[in-house]
Amino acid sequence: DQQVKQNSPSLSVQEGRISILNCDYTNSMFDYFLWYKKYPAEGPTFLISISSIKDKNEDGRFTVFLNKSAKHLSLHIVPSQPGDSAVYFCAARGNPGGSQGNLIFGKGTKLSVKP
Amino acid sequence: NAGVTQTPKFRVLKTGQSMTLLCAQDMNHEYMYWYRQDPGMGLRLIHYSVGEGTTAKGEVPDGYNVSRLKKQNFLLGLESAAPSQTSVYFCASTPDGSWPETQYFGPGTRLLVL
Repeated sequence: DQQVKQNSPSLSVQEGRISILNCDYTNSMFDYFLWYKKYPAEGPTFLISISSIKDKNEDGRFTVFLNKSAKHLSLHIVPSQPGDSAVYFCAARGNPGGSQGNLIFGKGTKLSVKP
Repeated sequence: NAGVTQTPKFRVLKTGQSMTLLCAQDMNHEYMYWYRQDPGMGLRLIHYSVGEGTTAKGEVPDGYNVSRLKKQNFLLGLESAAPSQTSVYFCASTPDGSWPETQYFGPGTRLLVL
């Protein structure tokens, strides 16, 4: 039973436009959410995070929005660039308030940004 | 600093064979993790360690064993490989469990079990 869900396996966007990647979760106890970016043949790299006490976090072209009542978060990339083409994973801290530090991942969304 | 490295990068095994995957980090991190990623799936936690000499089970531990004899190394063992263990294995490390964004991943080991 998936606790973190990314229902769109892929997304194609034109360069310069906005990319919106969505993520839903089921466990209301999750207290920290992250987005990771992954290129082929590489490990995931951290992109941006948000604490459950906030509803928005911004870092340059990347903004993450959290809607706790809907158990939904989204990643906005504006403007999208061809180098953003990668698989994006949504993740939640798997042991809220605990010390394991492990992450629970969604299945990922493959973003393609076309020139 | 090399960060997190994984050995080997790719391996083909026959059913029933054994092997050990090595993860090494040079950042003096306390916590280390082994994840597996299957096609169309997110990463799932196999085992983890919160310090030298400690190990604990994650979400999908069956068929695997781990050891953390040295702080910088985390070994993942398959005693009798099965085709269901065909996957890409990622190791990660972090200073502690407080800040998930400090979790650094290795490049992965692709394992094919025939």
